[in-house]
Amino acid sequence: DTEVTQTPKHLVMGMTNKKSLKCEQHMGHRAMYWYKQKAKKPPELMFVYSYEKLSINESVPSRFSPECPNSSLLNLHLHALQPEDSALYLCASSQDGAPPAGTGYGYTFGSGTRLTVV
Amino acid sequence: TQLLEQSPQFLSIQEGENLTVYCNSSSVFSSLQWYRQEPGEGPVLLVTVVTGGEVKKLKRLTFQFGDARKDSSLHITAAQPGDTGLYLCAGGPGTYKYIFGTGTRLKVLA
Repeated sequence: DTEVTQTPKHLVMGMTNKKSLKCEQHMGHRAMYWYKQKAKKPPELMFVYSYEKLSINESVPSRFSPECPNSSLLNLHLHALQPEDSALYLCASSQDGAPPAGTGYGYTFGSGTRLTVV
Repeated sequence: TQLLEQSPQFLSIQEGENLTVYCNSSSVFSSLQWYRQEPGEGPVLLVTVVTGGEVKKLKRLTFQFGDARKDSSLHITAAQPGDTGLYLCAGGPGTYKYIFGTGTRLKVLA
């Protein structure tokens, strides 16, 4: 299995709603990531989990709350979002966040969740 | 702050033409990846380069990592409509924090 699966594919939520995005991988990757991508822009890093522990939070507002229940699963809990949070949310995984010298590990991305906040 | 600038931003060419996309930075990267992203999908990894001066080929795509590991290029020979997409480079300084380039949007016309 060489995929990262994200659900749902599309999500429309109101500003007072609580919802969760889910991500799953079974490649044995120990680093998992959340990225946010606005239209016609590159992905922007939000969070990094390494060995199920949060290692990077890129100053993301607290209305986004990540969770890593186990090495295969990554969730992003959403609460009280704003319309400007509408974007494509991408999950990715990699073998390890810190490649040893002489090697390089790329990401495997999921197809993303298209989020619209109304 | 590390930045990866890609050029050109947009490229529209006819099928069969050749093209080169550039990815430049003032910082040194331990590795650099190239991705292609289609609308509504996540980026798909094309290649990883790790050694200064390294050249890798993937069918009609040729990737080069600069000698100083600060820049990279992607050359496509005889472009096809299926090559259409957003091309992204991403650099890793050796930690979890890979930085994506500004992107090059390619359209190949039949």
